[in-house]
Amino acid sequence: DIQMTQSPSSVSASVGDTVTISCRASQSINNWLAWYQLKPGQPPKLLIYAASSLDAGVPSRFRGRGYGTEFTLTLRSLQPEDFATYFCQQADSFPHTFGGGTKVEI
Amino acid sequence: QVQLQESGPGWVEPSETLSLTCSVSGAGASINSQYWNWIRYSAGKGLEWIGQISPGSKTNYNPSLGGRVTISLHTSKRQVSLTLISVTAADTATYYCARELAARRLDSWGRGTLVSVSS
Repeated sequence: DIQMTQSPSSVSASVGDTVTISCRASQSINNWLAWYQLKPGQPPKLLIYAASSLDAGVPSRFRGRGYGTEFTLTLRSLQPEDFATYFCQQADSFPHTFGGGTKVEI
Repeated sequence: QVQLQESGPGWVEPSETLSLTCSVSGAGASINSQYWNWIRYSAGKGLEWIGQISPGSKTNYNPSLGGRVTISLHTSKRQVSLTLISVTAADTATYYCARELAARRLDSWGRGTLVSVSS
């Protein structure tokens, strides 16, 4: 199985800050990486797919980059609604594993 | 706009079988022509991919579940089902179904159903 390692596991930030989350794959996954946002009581929400493509309706302050084994999700100008937990997921090979998550908190 | 809704027992005893259903509406084309995934979430393990069923009902499962899982389509009912046998407390989680689109993205999710395994 491909292991997905996210860092940091949590980060404290303020409204207006920029936060970068890293996701490392244990082997190359090309660009088959997605990012999801999870809030309590809500289903995960797709933010980014194919490493850098913004899903419809997702604000442009979310930016995904990377290829191969190293990926990042950058949240610019944090808004109150962005405080949540973020997960990366590889879809290069089965099982489609998730990273451990990064909690962005105030 | 596709809508997914999971349903299930809420509580299962250890060693029993968990059966969940995902009802699909508004998906347009037959559900048999689309990809469907099951994922679960627990605070201790985060998100865990359970498996996928693809057009033609080909399935892929997470080996970490030890061969205990089956995903099926019920096309006429527009439902995707999940069966997990021999459950333990470690299977306690919120279970989600999700549609997978091109570029292998899970674009639509159900609201999830919480399942507790205890005696």
